[in-house]
Amino acid sequence: DAGVTQSPTHLIKTRGQHVTLRCSPISGHKSVSWYQQVLGQGPQFIFQYYEKEERGRGNFPDRFSARQFPNYSSELNVNALLLGDSALYLCASRARAGGYNEQFFGPGTRLTVL
Amino acid sequence: AQKITQTQPGMFVQEKEAVTLDCTYDTSDQSYGLFWYKQPSSGEMIFLIYQGSYDEQNATEGRYSLNFQKARKSANLVISASQLGDSAMYFCAMSPSGGGSNYKLTFGKGTLLTVNP
Repeated sequence: DAGVTQSPTHLIKTRGQHVTLRCSPISGHKSVSWYQQVLGQGPQFIFQYYEKEERGRGNFPDRFSARQFPNYSSELNVNALLLGDSALYLCASRARAGGYNEQFFGPGTRLTVL
Repeated sequence: AQKITQTQPGMFVQEKEAVTLDCTYDTSDQSYGLFWYKQPSSGEMIFLIYQGSYDEQNATEGRYSLNFQKARKSANLVISASQLGDSAMYFCAMSPSGGGSNYKLTFGKGTLLTVNP
C-alpha cells in the first residue's frame, strides 16, 4: 500500500508569491494534518482536517489556509510568501480524528523562499 | 498548553551499545499520549513508539523502549544495540488524547544521534 504522498518535493519561490502544496493520505485515512518544520526545529502544527472540515489550527497567520477534498487529499496554500516561510512542510494522515491512532507522515515538501 | 523539552542537541554512541535520549514534558491534561519519531536526513518522520499516559507498562517496539516516569514527567527513549542506520534526528512529541481532541502533535527540538562504527 502507498504511504502518504506529497507534491512537489522541492519548490523555490520569491517573496510575495503564492504557493500550493498537495498531500494524498493513506488509502482509507480521513484525517490530514499539516506541519511546518523550520531548519533546526521540531515540526509545528498548522492545520488538521477531518472529513473535509477543519478540526484544528495552530498559531499561524491568515496567509496560511488549507482544504480537504472529497477523496480526502488536501492542499496547503500560503499567500504573500515571506523569507521565514522557508521550511519543510510535512503532511500526516491518520485513520480517525480522535483517540489514539498512529499518525503517518509523508516525505515533505521543501519550500525555499528567496 | 503542552510543552516538550529535549535537552540533548547531539548524542554519540558506539555501534552495538545502548543509548538513552532524554525527553521531559509539561501538560495540564490528565490524559495524553507520548511519541518518539525518527527523522533521517531525507526528511520523512518515522514513527517509533507510543506511550499512553494511563499505560502502566513501559512501551517496547523491537530495539526501542520508552522509559515512562509519570511523576517526573519524563519519557526517555532507549535504543538497544545501536546500528549505523540509527543515525538520525529523534523527536519526542505529545498529544492530548481522547475524543476528537487528539489532532495535534507538539514536538521537541530534537536530538541528533550519531552512531560510530
